[in-house]
Amino acid sequence: DAGVIQSPRHEVTEMGQEVTLRCKPISGHNSLFWYRQTMMRGLELLIYFNNNVPIDDSGMPEDRFSAKMPNASFSTLKIQPSEPRDSAVYFCASNPWGGGFSNEQFFGPGTRLTVL
Amino acid sequence: AQKITQTQPGMFVQEKEAVTLDCTYDTSDPSYGLFWYKQPSSGEMIFLIYQGSYDQQNATEGRYSLNFQKARKSANLVISASQLGDSAMYFCAMRVNTDKLIFGTGTRLQVFP
Repeated sequence: DAGVIQSPRHEVTEMGQEVTLRCKPISGHNSLFWYRQTMMRGLELLIYFNNNVPIDDSGMPEDRFSAKMPNASFSTLKIQPSEPRDSAVYFCASNPWGGGFSNEQFFGPGTRLTVL
Repeated sequence: AQKITQTQPGMFVQEKEAVTLDCTYDTSDPSYGLFWYKQPSSGEMIFLIYQGSYDQQNATEGRYSLNFQKARKSANLVISASQLGDSAMYFCAMRVNTDKLIFGTGTRLQVFP
């Protein structure tokens, strides 16, 4: 089985540009999570979806960030306009929903974003 | 508030020795799950081990074991017979009520020959 797939793996952009990160969860997983990892702030949950519906977006830093999940096999995280402080590794993760506390979250390889 | 605390920013251990990575958690909910993940320098997050709040036995997975002390709210990871490949960041995480995981700040483990 393919794991969680993220694209691109690396993104370098200039301040002010729009950035779109993509994620394909593991087939059959109904929960999807977007995380951001930086040295300063560690691993932060930005938003998560259950059955394509956003459940908790309290971690989204500001209106420049938006996330969508149009169907069970695809999600995007968009930053518009991007700023240098958005430079980080962005992880997507998925797990089955409703299986109790023990459901392991499977992480994608991450997208390393650099905003110049 | 629900929180995970990892007080050791870095740890060193000699190859073949055992090492304990500390994790304490805070929740008032009686039902929760505790996880450990490994993040090598390549960046991926690898699930290691899980412990449920009602599990009577400490979880074990190969060379990994979880020293679960519920009254002290601690869930320390023990790695036995350390290997060079164990050098990585290790994150403790907790799940309460919802699907989301609350992560600690991590401990960087360095295994030396």
